[in-house]
Amino acid sequence: EAQVTQNPRYLITVTGKKLTVTCSQNMNHEYMSWYRQDPGLGLRQIYYSMNVEVTDKGDVPEGYKVSRKEKRNFPLILESPSPNQTSLYFCASSSHPRTSGGHTDTQYFGPGTRLTVL
Amino acid sequence: RKEVEQDPGPFNVPEGATVAFNCTYSNSASQSFFWYRQDCRKEPKLLMSVYSSGNEDGRFTAQLNRASQYISLLIRDSKLSDSATYLCVVINQGGKLIFGQGTELSVKP
Repeated sequence: EAQVTQNPRYLITVTGKKLTVTCSQNMNHEYMSWYRQDPGLGLRQIYYSMNVEVTDKGDVPEGYKVSRKEKRNFPLILESPSPNQTSLYFCASSSHPRTSGGHTDTQYFGPGTRLTVL
Repeated sequence: RKEVEQDPGPFNVPEGATVAFNCTYSNSASQSFFWYRQDCRKEPKLLMSVYSSGNEDGRFTAQLNRASQYISLLIRDSKLSDSATYLCVVINQGGKLIFGQGTELSVKP
């Protein structure tokens, strides 16, 4: 079954304690991205990756890191989480990235990770 | 002004009603348009693409008005299962996806 998986699905942590949210897709997609969703603000892109070893900042990259060492995985790293990073996070992938950094193909989203930073 | 704007709702309608959502975008060079559906803070899923000529998929009709810079989604004969948040998505000339805040629909018996 084609899917995007994220782990953990729920996480409560404390300020400053490094954490990683994993994302994996089994569709051989080149393009992957991370979003956060907050009430009244919609989905905002954090980082995206056009392919292995290629990553770029989205709209709200501050406080986050990513890596793309393998095509299927795109982990999101919070080196020192803060309460304003409490949010619902989605990983997404698609198959036809444009060289300009976007794409027109369907994005497949992971199930989401609900993060609370105390 | 936000690049993509939607009325957040909620829209509360009875079963069988016809409901329409609009979404406006500010960048006239935007290239592609979509409607996604999101249930109860689950992941968004593509509902339909929006083409210049308009397109229909069963009870759902999507239209694009480039002159006025808005897209619309019409749901006919609404079902309880249509209750969800509908996200407008615009791809700008740089190829970046911009999401609207979403419009919440609640269909009541």
